[in-house]
This record gives sequence, structure tokens and C-alpha cells, in this order.
Amino acid sequence: GENVEQHPSTLSVQEGDSAVIKCTYSDSASNYFPWYKQELGKRPQLIIDIRSNVGEKKDQRIAVTLNKTAKHFSLHITETQPEDSAVYFCAPSRGGTSYGKLTFGQGTILTVHP
Amino acid sequence: EPEVTQTPSHQVTQMGQEVILRCVPISNHLYFYWYRQILGQKVEFLVSFYNNEISEKSEIFDDQFSVERPDGSNFTLKIRSTKLEDSAMYFCASSEQGSPSNEQYFGPGTRLTVT
Repeated sequence: GENVEQHPSTLSVQEGDSAVIKCTYSDSASNYFPWYKQELGKRPQLIIDIRSNVGEKKDQRIAVTLNKTAKHFSLHITETQPEDSAVYFCAPSRGGTSYGKLTFGQGTILTVHP
Repeated sequence: EPEVTQTPSHQVTQMGQEVILRCVPISNHLYFYWYRQILGQKVEFLVSFYNNEISEKSEIFDDQFSVERPDGSNFTLKIRSTKLEDSAMYFCASSEQGSPSNEQYFGPGTRLTVT
């Protein structure tokens, strides 16, 4: 099955700094690459996603970059704010017969200090 | 904005009992999922459901588990003979399409505590 790893497991930054989280995956058939944000006790919420025919996507302070050859994709958050503090999960998914099963990484705890 | 809803928010049950967790997916969505998250750990896929049948299931989803869409709106997860290790947050999710355009929307979760 798909093996998904995230780095780092914890990340502490000062408000206004940038944060980068990297996700590596093993399944070369993966073609959908979302990032989810989960606040304590709440549901995972999709914050950005990218499909395999695109190398980069940006939405305001958040961006995702994809390197399909190397099988990794990264979440970039610029001008971090305390409300960005949460656990972030990558969850690559493949097409074909998987019907959209998401395989989550182990999560990255991001703490933004005011 | 439509949301996935789940009931109950918290369920406490004794070991060996059966529980049914309920979900109402977004109304025009066709693909339904159950995931679980043990406290402090990652989210794990349990099962996907499409066209009134299971599309895929994980190793976790053994004979103890079953899913059903009893009517046009509800999607349920039944756990028979619960075990202590079934204690977790269970999330339902739905998507309009399957792979690859499978943006999934998660419900708020049901916290299951088995004592």
C-alpha cells in the first residue's frame, strides 16, 4: 500500500515567518495531493490541493508544490499567523479503482508564536 | 454552505456492545467514506462506498464493521462487539466525484469511547 511520510513532525515559527512541510509518498499512481488542516478536537479541513498535471498552486498565503518525479509535495505558508497553529496532514490519493481513498501522513504540528 | 453532519457527537459504550454511528453526507454527493483517528494519531481510512456497495476497505475494516445507506440521506457505520481499541474519533466524509477529482468534505466526527 501507499507509504506516506511527513517532515517535520513538529514545526515552531514566529508570527510572520514562513513554514514549509514536506510530504513524500510511495505510490507512483497517486495523482491527487491535498493538504488538510485540523484544529484540536475538530474535523480535518481541506486547505489546498493539487493534481498531477500541475506543478504549483497558490491560494493567498498558502501554496503547494509537487514533484512527481521525486514523489513529494510540499505545503508552504507565508506570513504565518497564530491562527495557523494546527496539525497539518497530507493525504495523497490515486485514481483508477481506489474511489478516492485518502492515505494520510502522520501529521505536522505547527505552532506559530505571536 | 452544505456540510456533512454526524450523530452522536460522543458515544460511550461498554466492551462487547454494538454501536451505530450516523452520517448525513452532502446531498448531491455520490461517494462516501469512513475514517477513524485514534487520539493523537493520524487519520486512517476504513471504507469507501459508492452505488450502494463497498468500493474499497482497509485491513482495519474486518467482519466487526459494516456500512449501510438505509435511505436516501443517511450513511451508517456499525461496529459489532466493540473492543477497547475501537475507541477513536470516527469521521464520515463525502465527495461529489470519485478519483481523481475527489475533494472530500469531512463531518465533525463521533468520538467513540469503549469502556
